[in-house]
Amino acid sequence: GAGVSQSPSNKVTEKGKDVELRCDPISGHTALYWYRQRLGQGLEFLIYFQGNSAPDKSGLPSDRFSAERTGESVSTLTIQRTQQEDSAVYLCASSPWLAGAYEQYFGPGTRLTVT
Amino acid sequence: EDKVVQSPLSLVVHEGDTVTLNCSYEVTNFRSLLWYKQEKKAPTFLFMLTSSGIEKKSGRLSSILDKKELFSILNITATQTGDSAIYLCAVEARNNAGNMLTFGGGTRLMVKP
Repeated sequence: GAGVSQSPSNKVTEKGKDVELRCDPISGHTALYWYRQRLGQGLEFLIYFQGNSAPDKSGLPSDRFSAERTGESVSTLTIQRTQQEDSAVYLCASSPWLAGAYEQYFGPGTRLTVT
Repeated sequence: EDKVVQSPLSLVVHEGDTVTLNCSYEVTNFRSLLWYKQEKKAPTFLFMLTSSGIEKKSGRLSSILDKKELFSILNITATQTGDSAIYLCAVEARNNAGNMLTFGGGTRLMVKP
């Protein structure tokens, strides 16, 4: 079946502009995660959605970052007033979150470049 | 298309055993290979490997990269129940759009007391 998809695959934006990144999780997956990967660094957790529970926003680096999820489907990550340090690959993952199963399936990522 | 394959898919061992996890890859313009330990919320970074033949070590965990044969192994000695997790391998490669990460499917490790 279809995996996690993300769009756009590549985004170049000017400093100060807002950007929206989209994630389509695997159908039926109740959990959805956003991560950031800067060049040469490890994954940085941003935000986590699980079903109808309040999202875990503990990883968002500033109030310029926000994310929404519609039910158990599409999620959008919005970065307002982008800065150069926001340049990174933004990865989305989804998980079925069955008892004892927490495998995360990663999308291909969106590469964001802020000039 | 870049590809990362991990094996085995799952592994069950007893405390004290030593395990070896495998990651093979086919990518264009390889830059680095990363290992993560994934528990409930977010993967935890373990190692980044860029050079062949140089072992990286952290406590009971170690990893090495072979850029000629295009694989890496992650070793865990004297396993403990807290090592139970999914271990992810990811390869960073450069394409026309920049650097991208490709993840393997993971190896699920269960360590029994």
